[in-house]
Amino acid sequence: AQRVTQPEKLLSVFKGAPVELKCNYSYSGSPELFWYVQYSRQRLQLLLRHISRESIKGFTADLNKGETSFHLKKPFAQEEDSAMYYCALSPISTDKLIFGTGTRLQVFP
Amino acid sequence: NAGVTQTPKFQVLKTGQSMTLQCAQDMNHEYMSWYRQDPGMGLRLIHYSVGAGITDQGEVPNGYNVSRSTTEDFPLRLLSAAPSQTSVYFCASSTTGTSAYNEQFFGPGTRLTVL
Repeated sequence: AQRVTQPEKLLSVFKGAPVELKCNYSYSGSPELFWYVQYSRQRLQLLLRHISRESIKGFTADLNKGETSFHLKKPFAQEEDSAMYYCALSPISTDKLIFGTGTRLQVFP
Repeated sequence: NAGVTQTPKFQVLKTGQSMTLQCAQDMNHEYMSWYRQDPGMGLRLIHYSVGAGITDQGEVPNGYNVSRSTTEDFPLRLLSAAPSQTSVYFCASSTTGTSAYNEQFFGPGTRLTVL
């Protein structure tokens, strides 16, 4: 079954600390993966996608097919990074997006 | 552009009542979808549409109906509300689908409580 797993419900760090939000997926084909973020009182929005291979707001995510992971990383967390983060998988040619359960990131000053 | 709009923002229903959650977008997007967000369960796809006149079921379609008569609108109907449908509902749209080249644009959500 196609599935996205985010094992951490809550991740708390201090400002300036490195952050890694874990995402593992279950899918037999070539995955199309995304990270979406929901800041307080804002809409859910795209943070980054695996094909772009770019850094957005200091965040990067590398697709590791061997470990079936797409972890989100940032070397130095900022207070404004506090939000709910969702990893999502789009199986090829399905027109469906499968979300993980989300990880709440809290960055303390 | 207003983007994706949803009405109402909040709604309280009694068990057995029916209602329609409205969703509209002004970006000329072909793809639209509905999700429900529940604590500890993330977002789950209810129904989606790849264009006017075309709809299909997502992960949790039972108890919900949709139609897509225009490109702009994608209403979600609850025919007989149940307490299990208490949730936050999000509508989203994108240019053509969910592939890596498509960014989903989300609405602000509708918080529904069924008593």
